[in-house]
This record gives sequence, structure tokens and C-alpha cells, in this order.
Amino acid sequence: KAGVTQTPRYLIKTRGQQVTLSCSPISGHRSVSWYQQTPGQGLQFLFEYFSETQRNKGNFPGRFSGRQFSNSRSEMNVSTLELGDSALYLCASSLGGANVLTFGAGSRLTVL
Amino acid sequence: GQQLNQSPQSMFIQEGEDVSMNCTSSSIFNTWLWYKQEPGEGPVLLIALYKAGELTSNGRLTAQFGITRKDSFLNISASIPSDVGIYFCAGQLPSGTASKLTFGTGTRLQVTL
Repeated sequence: KAGVTQTPRYLIKTRGQQVTLSCSPISGHRSVSWYQQTPGQGLQFLFEYFSETQRNKGNFPGRFSGRQFSNSRSEMNVSTLELGDSALYLCASSLGGANVLTFGAGSRLTVL
Repeated sequence: GQQLNQSPQSMFIQEGEDVSMNCTSSSIFNTWLWYKQEPGEGPVLLIALYKAGELTSNGRLTAQFGITRKDSFLNISASIPSDVGIYFCAGQLPSGTASKLTFGTGTRLQVTL
């Protein structure tokens, strides 16, 4: 059974640009969550999507957005990139409800 | 953003030694989880705890959900080199969902031969 797949694994952008990250959840999982991991702030919840609807949102500015498609695949977008957006962005999927999260390997974004 | 207080921050131990780490919070949690992250990978779930006082084992790993619901600990017995990694606790607030977790600051474990 394939795990959570995130693409791209690594990318470099410059300040002011935007970036789109993709996540394919485990087959059958309908909930997709996104987390940002940095050395200073650790793992912070960005948002969760379930059945194409945003169900939860963390404390991030509006530059961070996401969406989910009918096949449960999800994308997150960060616009007007800042140096502080450099981080490992982790996607996690679950069946929903009380089920635990399974994380992907992450997309490492470097903003220059 | 909020992080749980996890200690110790790092540990250097010899193979065969037992390891203990804990996580504390000023808030009550409904669920406590322990994850391990290795370089270049995402966190992998080790143990999930759903009830205050619950003690759960997974091989050489044992974790407990504190009675006050504000803490949890993880023990690793007879450590081996493949135990190297960063261990994170994570909690689900009563007001939150299973997907919106609050993570600890992490314990970096190094095992020497």
C-alpha cells in the first residue's frame, strides 16, 4: 500500500515568488492535513481538508492556502514568499474522525 | 505557535541503555501520540494513547498518558543503533480534531556503540 506522496521533495524559490506543493494521500484516506516544520517553531498545523472542504485552519497568514480535489489529492500554495517561509512542509492523511495521521516525507522549501 | 515542553532536548546514550523522555503541557489533552522522525523523512507514529492513565507498549517502547491529562512519557528499553532519530510527542486538544495536533519540541536521540 503506497504511503503519502509529496512533490516536489526539494525546491528553491526567491522572495516574492509563489510556490505550490502537492500531496497524494494514502488510497482511501479522505482527510489531508498540512504542517510546517522549522527549527525554531517546530511542527505547526497549517490546515486540514476533508471531502474538498477546509475543516480546520491554524494560525498562519492568508498567504498560505490550500485545496483538495475530488480524488482527495491536495495542494498548498504560498504566495509572496518570505525568507521565514523556508521550512519542511509535511502533508499527512487519515481516514478522518479519530484516526491517526500518516505523514509524507515532506517538501523542503528554501527561500533565498 | 504553541509547542509542548519536551525533555530532554537531546540524549547521547550507549547501545543497550534504557531511555526516558517526557512531555508536559499547561493544557489538557484528549489524546497523546509519540512520533519518531529520521533524517529526510516525515514523522512516523510509534504509540497512540487515548485515555488518562493508559500505559501502552510497542515492542521495546512503552508510553503512558498522564493522570492529569497534561503529560506523557516514552520509555525505550535496551536501545539499539536504529533508535537514532528525533522523538516528538503530540497532543490533541479537547476542542480540536485528530488532524490538528500540537507537537512537542522534540528529543534528539543518539546511540553510540
